[in-house]
Amino acid sequence: DAGVIQSPRHEVTEMGQEVTLRCKPISGHDYLFWYRQTMMRGLELLIYFNNNVPIDDSGMPEDRFSAKMPNASFSTLKIQPSEPRDSAVYFCASSLEGAQGWETEAFFGQGTRLTVV
Amino acid sequence: LAKTTQPISMDSYEGQEVNITCSHNNIATNDYITWYQQFPSQGPRFIIQGYKTKVTNEVASLFIPADRKSSTLSLPRVSLSDTAVYYCLVGASGGSYIPTFGRGTSLIVHP
Repeated sequence: DAGVIQSPRHEVTEMGQEVTLRCKPISGHDYLFWYRQTMMRGLELLIYFNNNVPIDDSGMPEDRFSAKMPNASFSTLKIQPSEPRDSAVYFCASSLEGAQGWETEAFFGQGTRLTVV
Repeated sequence: LAKTTQPISMDSYEGQEVNITCSHNNIATNDYITWYQQFPSQGPRFIIQGYKTKVTNEVASLFIPADRKSSTLSLPRVSLSDTAVYYCLVGASGGSYIPTFGRGTSLIVHP
């Protein structure tokens, strides 16, 4: 497997524009996570899915953020409208649920560096 | 979720052994301890995981005392390429493991 694949790797957009980040998890994984990383706040969990169903979106900062997982091999994180403070690196990760529901590792993608000007 | 505390930063030199300690005083019975490594411009990468005593792999060793209230990640003979941020995570008990990251320890290895 090629690992978790994110696109695009870099995105520069103007304030007010819609931005869509994409993620392809590792085939067969049960969980998909979206994270955001900034110098100020570190690595924050935004939302995660289990078997394509959103389980916890309490980390999503505002209604401007939305995430979907239409099937087991694809997820999107959308920001509409985007603002300069959304500038960050966004990571997608996936994992396989362990036999006891834990003790499994998460595999991260290379991230998308978003710059909103 | 058990809270973790680890040093913000550490410095070392090539060839030295580095030990990074993480405190997790309220770790639950079913929690595992996991360490991740993150290089600049990359996503975190799993290094090692353990429940108690000692675990060793090709990258590092993890020491966990009997009370499990802390753990120590040991990197033998570090090189410049070990410069990274190291995160200590404690697994959510009683359910699925949702990796939640703190600020981590920034390790800088000097020549």
